[in-house]
Amino acid sequence: DIQMTQFPSSVSASVGDRVTITCRASQGISTWLAWYQQKPGKAPKLLIYAASSLQSGVPSRFSGSGSGTDLTLTISSLQPEDFATYYCQQANNFPWTFGQGTKVEIK
Amino acid sequence: QLQLQESGPGLVKPSETLSLTCTVSGGSISSSSYYWGWIRQPPGKGLEWIGNIYYSGSTYYNPSLKSRVTISVDTSKNQFSLKVSSVTAADTAVYHCASVAAAVNAFDIWGQGTLVTVSS
Repeated sequence: DIQMTQFPSSVSASVGDRVTITCRASQGISTWLAWYQQKPGKAPKLLIYAASSLQSGVPSRFSGSGSGTDLTLTISSLQPEDFATYYCQQANNFPWTFGQGTKVEIK
Repeated sequence: QLQLQESGPGLVKPSETLSLTCTVSGGSISSSSYYWGWIRQPPGKGLEWIGNIYYSGSTYYNPSLKSRVTISVDTSKNQFSLKVSSVTAADTAVYHCASVAAAVNAFDIWGQGTLVTVSS
């Protein structure tokens, strides 16, 4: 199985800050990576697919980059509604696997 | 717009079979543009992929659950289902169904999720 390690596991940030979350795969996954946002009690929401493609309706302050083993999600200017937990997920090989999550908290 | 809704018992006894159904609306479950998956999340923990089913009927399961899991499609009802046999307390989780747009290869539409508790 491909292990997905996210870091940091949590980050405290202020509105307007730039936040970067990294997902490291235990082996190369090309660009078969998605990023999701989850708020408490809600289903995850797809933000980014294929490492860098913005899902329809997602604000442009979210962006993804990278390929291979190190991929990143960047929020360019954190907004109040962005405080949530973020997960990466690889779709290069079965079983599909998720990172453990990064909680973005208010500073 | 595609919508998904999970349904099934919220309480299952240990050693019994957990059965959930996902009803798809706003699109055909037989479409080659989509395939279908199940994901679960134990309380306070992260996401775990359970398995996918493709329009061809092919299924892929998480090896950690493979021997206990079955995913199937009922095209007449526009539904797909999940069965997990021989459940234990470790199977207590919120279970989500989701669609995977073939062009996206990620879970693009999610059901709201349903909590299944395994307890006697």
